[in-house]
Amino acid sequence: NAGVTQTPKFQVLKTGQSMTLQCAQDMNHEYMSWYRQDPGMGLRLIHYSVGAGITDQGEVPNGYNVSRSTTEDFPLRLLSAAPSQTSVYFCASSNRGSSGNTIYFGEGSWLTVV
Amino acid sequence: AQSVTQLDSHVSVSEGTPVLLRCNYSSSYSPSLFWYVQHPNKGLQLLLKYTSAATLVKGINGFEAEFKKSETSFHLTKPSAHMSDAAEYFCVVRGATGTASKLTFGTGTRLQVTL
Repeated sequence: NAGVTQTPKFQVLKTGQSMTLQCAQDMNHEYMSWYRQDPGMGLRLIHYSVGAGITDQGEVPNGYNVSRSTTEDFPLRLLSAAPSQTSVYFCASSNRGSSGNTIYFGEGSWLTVV
Repeated sequence: AQSVTQLDSHVSVSEGTPVLLRCNYSSSYSPSLFWYVQHPNKGLQLLLKYTSAATLVKGINGFEAEFKKSETSFHLTKPSAHMSDAAEYFCVVRGATGTASKLTFGTGTRLQVTL
């Protein structure tokens, strides 16, 4: 039972490069989302999805792109990396329905943009 | 709209003494509330959750939290701190069913446990 799997765990990018953070879950969850964590700011929502083919913006979407072609996968794309995107990124998933459903997080991806 | 305020960015306790981490929330509907813990360079682990059942919620590792609607609070407590409790703790509110994919995090409380 893998849960939520994020790759890569660590990445260093140069300014202007693009990359994709991968997120996959094997629990058939409808809801998936991406958060970034910065010191003193908690986690902030970047993008989220309520099902395959449906995505929407969160609190801090600029500079990021997402798609949801399958239930299992929800990749996060950095179009042109900037130092301000240096952060720890977390993917999360849960079942739809009750807001009390448990939310599962990946282990995180540490990204540094130089 | 929903929001969470963690009243202390840093709490320091001695091992064996009680822990209190404070959280106030704002929500236009009956919220679901969670506490997560994050150890250094690790992911997020669920401690406990409130989902409109019992107002006193027991979690893992001896933690518990009490939902107080009149005070819009969801404070996390533990009777006796252990060195392994040193970590960052996040209070989280979740939207109603229609927006249940969105979580709003507090800014975190770093718990330090000293000998």
